[in-house]
Amino acid sequence: QVQLQESGPGLVKPSETLSLTCSVSGVSITRDYWNWIRQPPGKGLEWIGSVYGSVYHSGSNQYSPSMKSRVTILRDASKNQVSLNLKFVTAADTGVYYCARDKGTGRGWFDTWGQGTLVTVSS
Amino acid sequence: QSAPTQPASVSGSPGQSITIPCSGTSNDIGSYNYVSWFQQHPGKAPKLMIFDVNNRPSGVSNRFSGSKSGNTASLTISGLQAEDEADYFCTSYTSINTLVFGGGTKLTVL
Repeated sequence: QVQLQESGPGLVKPSETLSLTCSVSGVSITRDYWNWIRQPPGKGLEWIGSVYGSVYHSGSNQYSPSMKSRVTILRDASKNQVSLNLKFVTAADTGVYYCARDKGTGRGWFDTWGQGTLVTVSS
Repeated sequence: QSAPTQPASVSGSPGQSITIPCSGTSNDIGSYNYVSWFQQHPGKAPKLMIFDVNNRPSGVSNRFSGSKSGNTASLTISGLQAEDEADYFCTSYTSINTLVFGGGTKLTVL
C-alpha cells in the first residue's frame, strides 16, 4: 500500500523559506512523478510543481509559471523522499500543502495523496 | 496560463444526474486528453475520480463519468447520493508541460 506523509514546520516567517518533506512508503520514488499541490484556506487547489523520480533523469522538474522563480522540488532516492523549498514566502503562501503521486507520467493522474500539512506564514 | 473555469456551485436532488463543466483553452483541455477530476470532502485530501478524460480508477463508482468536447471537459454524476456532496476539481495538462487546476465546484445534494 502506497502512503505519503508530509512533514515540516507549521509556521514560517514572511520572507523566509518554506521547507517540506514528503516521505513515501510502499513504492520506490524512482518510479512515477511526484508533485506538490497546495490549497489556501477556503480556496481551490493549486499545482506547484513536480519531479520525476528516476535517478537516470536528474533535474527533471516542471514548475508552475507563477511560482517557478521561488520553488525547488528535489528527490532523494536513498531516503525515498521528495522535498519542497519555497523562498520569500508571504501570507499568500499560507495553506495546506499536499504531496501526490502522478502515475500518469506527468498527465495529472494523482492517484495517491498525503494527508496534507498546514503551513501558516506569519511573523 | 490561466485556470480552467468551473461553476462555483451546482446542486441536485438524490437520484438525479448533474454535470460539472470545466472550460479551458486550446493550450490545455482543447489539445490534450489529459483531464482528471478530483472529489474533496471537507478536511480531507482530494480523491482521483476520473483520469485521461473518461477513465475511472479501480474502486470508483460507475456513477461517475467524464467527457470532453472542444476546450471543455465535463464530469457527470448520475444517481446522486448524499455522499456525493463535496468539492470537485478538474485538472489539465498544458502546452508548456505543466498542470493546472480548475477553480473548483461545490456540489450540494438537496
